[in-house]
Amino acid sequence: AQSVAQPEDQVNVAEGNPLTVKCTYSVSGNPYLFWYVQYPNRGLQFLLKYITGDNLVKGSYGFEAEFNKSQTSFHLKKPSALVSDSALYFCALRRTSGSARQLTFGSGTQLTVLP
Amino acid sequence: EAQVTQNPRYLITVTGKKLTVTCSQNMNHEYMSWYRQDPGLGLRQIYYSMNVEVTDKGDVPEGYKVSRKEKRNFPLILESPSPNQTSLYFCASSPWTSGGEAQYFGPGTRLLVL
Repeated sequence: AQSVAQPEDQVNVAEGNPLTVKCTYSVSGNPYLFWYVQYPNRGLQFLLKYITGDNLVKGSYGFEAEFNKSQTSFHLKKPSALVSDSALYFCALRRTSGSARQLTFGSGTQLTVLP
Repeated sequence: EAQVTQNPRYLITVTGKKLTVTCSQNMNHEYMSWYRQDPGLGLRQIYYSMNVEVTDKGDVPEGYKVSRKEKRNFPLILESPSPNQTSLYFCASSPWTSGGEAQYFGPGTRLLVL
């Protein structure tokens, strides 16, 4: 079965400190992985994706993610957190079954950046 | 401005009263999808459409219907809503090219079924 897991429901970090939001995946074949962010009362916004190539992917708002095939992980990172980064973050995996292209989402991680 | 719009944004209804949530995108995307978001469960796909007149079930299709008569519109229909369909609903779209495309999400529709 193809799945993603976000092991932490909540992550708290002080402003200016580095942040990491964890994601692990399970898939047969090559994974297509995504990170989305949801601000309060808003829809999801795309942050970044890994399809192939460099294991370090850079995205919007200074975020980056590190793909690690041996650990089947795709952790989201930012060198210096801002209070405005506080939001709900979702990792997603594109399923490869049949001809459809469907995303499987993790359960989400609430990031709180403390001033 | 490229966007996905949903209406209504908030809806309170009663069990059994048919309702439709509209979704429209202005990006000429082939792929559209409906998700529901519930606490602790992330987003789960209800239905998706790969193009006009082509729809298929997602992971949680029971109690829902969709149609895709035009490329830009993908309404979600609840023929007989029940309280377990109380949720936050998102419509999304993306182009149908290499498969690695990000999806664009609408602002969400919060539904309460009494």
